[in-house]
Amino acid sequence: GESVGLHLPTLSVQEGDNSIINCAYSNSASDYFIWYKQESGKGPQFIIDIRSNMDKRQGQRVTVLLNKTVKHLSLQIAATQPGDSAVYFCAEVMTGANSKLTFGKGITLSVRP
Amino acid sequence: DAGITQSPRHKVTETGTPVTLRCHQTENHRYMYWYRQDPGHGLRLIHYSYGVKDTDKGEVSDGYSVSRSKTEDFLLTLESATSSQTSVYFCAISAMSTGYGTEAFFGQGTRLTVV
Repeated sequence: GESVGLHLPTLSVQEGDNSIINCAYSNSASDYFIWYKQESGKGPQFIIDIRSNMDKRQGQRVTVLLNKTVKHLSLQIAATQPGDSAVYFCAEVMTGANSKLTFGKGITLSVRP
Repeated sequence: DAGITQSPRHKVTETGTPVTLRCHQTENHRYMYWYRQDPGHGLRLIHYSYGVKDTDKGEVSDGYSVSRSKTEDFLLTLESATSSQTSVYFCAISAMSTGYGTEAFFGQGTRLTVV
């Protein structure tokens, strides 16, 4: 079947370099912002989330930055590895209400050996 | 892996026929979601549920209906399938709370082809 990454913007990085994936979100009322990774033929997998009252959160090899002033979210991946090649989606949700979880369009990350 | 199962995994159906996709969970999560994924469009929300018999529309709900009569099952129905509904459909579940976090777990997807 067609690749999930077909027709999506692509970011190409050299193995070992740091990657920065950017996302613009739409709803100022969202209280959580989330990053997902999707490998070919699989469903998306959770990477990390950040609450709206924070501007930075770190995980294992990943950092998420939130700029509410310009409604911008980024995912930084340190020392990018071939296994990081995938499609990355940002998502947003307003918890406590109906918790509607919506996704951005996605970006394909391609890691060059 | 989170206990979420989609069925069927693949289906080919004819235009105008009704189709029902099933999402089953064993995690007792409150929230369940149906998405469709098409090249260039990412994941688009069709319908979602925030409890038994509590559902709401997403951004691409036209032509789809859902039902949730018990916590573990969320059904997506295409009343009269059209070729534009050819897609990969994903179900997701989540506790979606400040205490449990926002992680959503996805099923393996259902590839639906309408001919």
